[in-house]
Amino acid sequence: KNEVEQSPQNLTAQEGEFITINCSYSVGISALHWLQQHPGGGIVSLFMLSSGKKKHGRLIATINIQEKHSSLHITASHPRDSAVYICAVRWGPGNQFYFGTGTSLTVIP
Amino acid sequence: DTGVSQDPRHKITKRGQNVTFRCDPISEHNRLYWYRQTLGQGPEFLTYFQNEAQLEKSRLLSDRFSAERPKGSFSTLEIQRTEQGDSAMYLCASSLLPRVGTIDTSTDTQYFGPGTRLTVL
Repeated sequence: KNEVEQSPQNLTAQEGEFITINCSYSVGISALHWLQQHPGGGIVSLFMLSSGKKKHGRLIATINIQEKHSSLHITASHPRDSAVYICAVRWGPGNQFYFGTGTSLTVIP
Repeated sequence: DTGVSQDPRHKITKRGQNVTFRCDPISEHNRLYWYRQTLGQGPEFLTYFQNEAQLEKSRLLSDRFSAERPKGSFSTLEIQRTEQGDSAMYLCASSLLPRVGTIDTSTDTQYFGPGTRLTVL
């Protein structure tokens, strides 16, 4: 059983749509990260959350510690947002990541 | 480029051969992590170092895998007697753990390298 579950696995949206990607986890964590992975493998950190909500441009991330749930929202989606979005929680003595399987997003013009 | 670098970017080998990958972290980063990602899956934690000390190894890391960080800077990951199931993207990440007592030690951001894609024939 994976400690981190993401939904949906795949998502196709029209340009301009509001997008939500969900992440649930089952362990006590020190922090949760949303990461973006483009074709070719490069991983970029979007947000690190331990509580509440963060916003950067068209991206918004929220976390509910009690419910062990986080969401990543993309407003006014654009084709360049097409990527795999990965939720990763940090726990353990090294604060290492435990990753979800990712949500593959395709935004169609 | 002052980011995390990995070498080689691609490696094709025959089953049974040994392979070694290198990761150069961001300068002065004291933590270094190795992850493995298979097609269609999220990355999985393999091991991490704080300076030169290897502090944790995942149960995914069989005896055929060994990692070192001899001087607390670059790290190598060696796979002996490779198997087809070892085919994956091997990712390295580094971070700067703040001194205890300064800021929250859970907030150090990990910066990922581009990965080494291993194909075992």
